[in-house]
Amino acid sequence: ETGVTQSPTHLIKTRGQQVTLRCSSQSGHNTVSWYQQALGQGPQFIFQYYREEENGRGNFPPRFSGLQFPNYSSELNVNALELDDSALYLCASSGGQGATRSGYTFGSGTRLTVV
Amino acid sequence: GDSVTQMEGPVTLSEEACLTINCTYTATGYPSLFWYVQYPGEGLQLLLKATKADDKGSNKGFEATYRKETTSFHLEKGSVQVSDSAVYFCALSEGDTGRRALTFGSGTRLQVQP
Repeated sequence: ETGVTQSPTHLIKTRGQQVTLRCSSQSGHNTVSWYQQALGQGPQFIFQYYREEENGRGNFPPRFSGLQFPNYSSELNVNALELDDSALYLCASSGGQGATRSGYTFGSGTRLTVV
Repeated sequence: GDSVTQMEGPVTLSEEACLTINCTYTATGYPSLFWYVQYPGEGLQLLLKATKADDKGSNKGFEATYRKETTSFHLEKGSVQVSDSAVYFCALSEGDTGRRALTFGSGTRLQVQP
């Protein structure tokens, strides 16, 4: 079975720009969650998508938005980038017929640097 | 809200030493508890989990027991190897179905020296 794939692996953006990060979920999983991991910190929950709708959100402003597609892949969009948005963004898939006892499968992340 | 507190690192050990990384949690419900490991430049890998009180999760020589009375889930290994060097995260979820968000601790870096 394929795991969770994220793209790109690294990205450099300028403050004020917009960015889109992509995630392909593990085969059989129907739920996608996004996390932000600042340097030296634990991941923080951004939001979760189930059946193409937002199914939960952490303490992040509206300029963080997302989409889930019929094939369960997902995008994370961040508008008006700020320096503090520099972090590793992790995608995790779960649920559905492909669900495992672990519940969540994480991708390797996208390292975003805002300058 | 839910929170996870784990001991600060780095923890530096010699190969074959015993490891304990403390983790305590605060939760409104009856959470599932997890330990994840992150190797340099990689995402998170599930190390072990426990879903109810007194359950013991184990994997690759690591163990942790769900202690409801002390709200703890300490990670232990009897003999560490250089390859265990990584960052370890304690986490909880209010459900085990993968439909609830994970709340993570801040991570503990383990360095094992030959």
